[in-house]
Amino acid sequence: NAGVTQTPKFQVLKTGQSMTLQCAQDMNHEYMSWYRQDPGMGLRLIHYSVGAGITDQGEVPNGYNVSRSTTEDFPLRLLSAAPSQTSVYFCASSPVGSANEKLFFGSGTQLSVL
Amino acid sequence: QKEVEQDPGPLSVPEGAIVSLNCTYSNSAFQYFMWYRQYSRKGPELLMYTYSSGNKEDGRFTAQVDKSSKYISLFIRDSQPSDSATYLCATFNTGTASKLTFGTGTRLQVTL
Repeated sequence: NAGVTQTPKFQVLKTGQSMTLQCAQDMNHEYMSWYRQDPGMGLRLIHYSVGAGITDQGEVPNGYNVSRSTTEDFPLRLLSAAPSQTSVYFCASSPVGSANEKLFFGSGTQLSVL
Repeated sequence: QKEVEQDPGPLSVPEGAIVSLNCTYSNSAFQYFMWYRQYSRKGPELLMYTYSSGNKEDGRFTAQVDKSSKYISLFIRDSQPSDSATYLCATFNTGTASKLTFGTGTRLQVTL
């Protein structure tokens, strides 16, 4: 059972480049979300989805897009990378009915924007 | 002011010590309280969760919530080097069930 799988694990981008961070889960969880983790700031919610076709913004959505075409996948797109987006990104999922407190996290993507 | 405050540490204790990790929060509407453990270069994993005030025990770990003072605690008994990690508190209320609010985390080092 793989759980939540994130790719790539590391990525270096130049300012202005775009890329997609991939997230897939095999637990049939309805809820999926993206967080970024920065020193002194903790985990901050970027976007989340409560099911296929439904997405919503979190605390820090600017500069990021998401879509949810299937239950399993929830990619995060950086439209035009900026140095302020240098961070560690985590994807998480949760079964509906758990009140979303039981988040299962992926192992993260470390992104550097030069 | 952040909604959830947590001392970043690091906190260094000898093996076998009792560890106390704490958070304070500002929103009295928060009802659910969680502790996540995060090892270096890994994603957080759920360790404990409680609803409203009171204590919850799971092996060497005890989670405590005092809603009157808006204070959350995690106690680790007989600490082990394998407990060395960053501990994140988190909370939400049913009105924002999709949006956990995390503390910044406390780094714990248990030494031999």
